[in-house]
Amino acid sequence: DSGVTQTPKHLITATGQRVTLRCSPRSGDLSVYWYQQSLDQGLQFLIQYYNGEERAKGNILERFSAQQFPDLHSELNLSSLELGDSALYFCASSVVGTGNDYGYTFGSGTRLTVV
Amino acid sequence: DQQVKQNSPSLSVQEGRISILNCDYTNSMFDYFLWYKKYPAEGPTFLISISSIKDKNEDGRFTVFLNKSAKHLSLHIVPSQPGDSAVYFCAASARDNTGKLIFGQGTTLQVKP
Repeated sequence: DSGVTQTPKHLITATGQRVTLRCSPRSGDLSVYWYQQSLDQGLQFLIQYYNGEERAKGNILERFSAQQFPDLHSELNLSSLELGDSALYFCASSVVGTGNDYGYTFGSGTRLTVV
Repeated sequence: DQQVKQNSPSLSVQEGRISILNCDYTNSMFDYFLWYKKYPAEGPTFLISISSIKDKNEDGRFTVFLNKSAKHLSLHIVPSQPGDSAVYFCAASARDNTGKLIFGQGTTLQVKP
């Protein structure tokens, strides 16, 4: 157990639907990162939150949004789902979340299948 | 634009031999490099890292080499063990006051007994 909890582990949904993925960071970590891993692809950075505020944004689609709550858990919302959104979605957390803090802790991921 | 590239999707080595995994990058602003290991159904786990001010970092059987002029890094595993069979990702961080990492596509290592 890495200390980063992602729920659900698996999700199957239809095109056009909306889903919410949840991440609880490791105790004491203030920063949360979301990554997407599609088939045969590396981990693509989506978005970072630090202590409730957005800090960095990657190639995140407009149909996707995220937030970090006061208790530091984070949710990734995916809407108007398309078949191409099927992927593994990973959450990671780190203590500080700046360029001087390296080596995240990853959760085990949520596998999203859009049918 | 793939800023971090792992050009070998897979690598197979014999137990006891050396495994060498390679990674190239294009962004000269990257100043910190990391290797992660991933088993099926698990998230990636941190393995070893190197700062751009160094050219080598060693941790047990794992050594990372950085060649800044060539924008190339490599991970050496000696001796390789069957338990090392996993997907290995290299990642890079830039001096941008965020913690975001840019990952390569991964290399699947198989160590045969």
